[in-house]
Amino acid sequence: DTGVSQDPRHKITKRGQNVTFRCDPISEHNRLYWYRQTLGQGPEFLTYFQNEAQLEKSRLLSDRFSAERPKGSFSTLEIQRTEQGDSAMYLCASSFRSGGGEQYFGPGTRLTVT
Amino acid sequence: AQKVTQAQTEISVVEKEDVTLDCVYETRDTTYYLFWYKQPPSGELVFLIRRNSFDEQNEISGRYSWNFQKSTSSFNFTITASQVVDSAVYFCALSEANTGTASKLTFGTGTRLQVTL
Repeated sequence: DTGVSQDPRHKITKRGQNVTFRCDPISEHNRLYWYRQTLGQGPEFLTYFQNEAQLEKSRLLSDRFSAERPKGSFSTLEIQRTEQGDSAMYLCASSFRSGGGEQYFGPGTRLTVT
Repeated sequence: AQKVTQAQTEISVVEKEDVTLDCVYETRDTTYYLFWYKQPPSGELVFLIRRNSFDEQNEISGRYSWNFQKSTSSFNFTITASQVVDSAVYFCALSEANTGTASKLTFGTGTRLQVTL
């Protein structure tokens, strides 16, 4: 049984550069979520998709962040013109749409902006 | 707005002790789900349990048990006879579900549990 996978696991970039992360959800799940976690905090919601439709985006999410899920399978999260404050763990999760919808998380992508 | 409070930042216990992790939530929704996740040192969040707002039955799974009380807006988690492998950060989370399905999660700040020999 394949879980949620994320690539890359670590990314170091210089301030001002663009970065893109990929998430592959559990294959039969139709919902996909992105969260951000900083040290000592719980994950913070960024955005989520149901199939290919982006249903919600956090008000806290800067315009520099964009996410896509073009065919309702994998998703990408892009951060443009990175800032040091973007340094965090970016988590992806997937779930079924129906019922309790418990989310299963991937290992995350740790971003360090220097 | 939804909010989850985990007042205990860090708890240290000796192996075989029982430990309870507290979770208090706030929501205006009448239908919602509550969750507990474990984040071991490896970093990956592991789903432990889900409860919906209409089901206040307590649940036991092995050494784990959960106490959901709507009257006090609490969803506490107890580990009986703790083991070193239980050492992790534990997160309580809340999701509105007015359409019947859970969606985005609002997490607490987590409780770090350290179990020593």
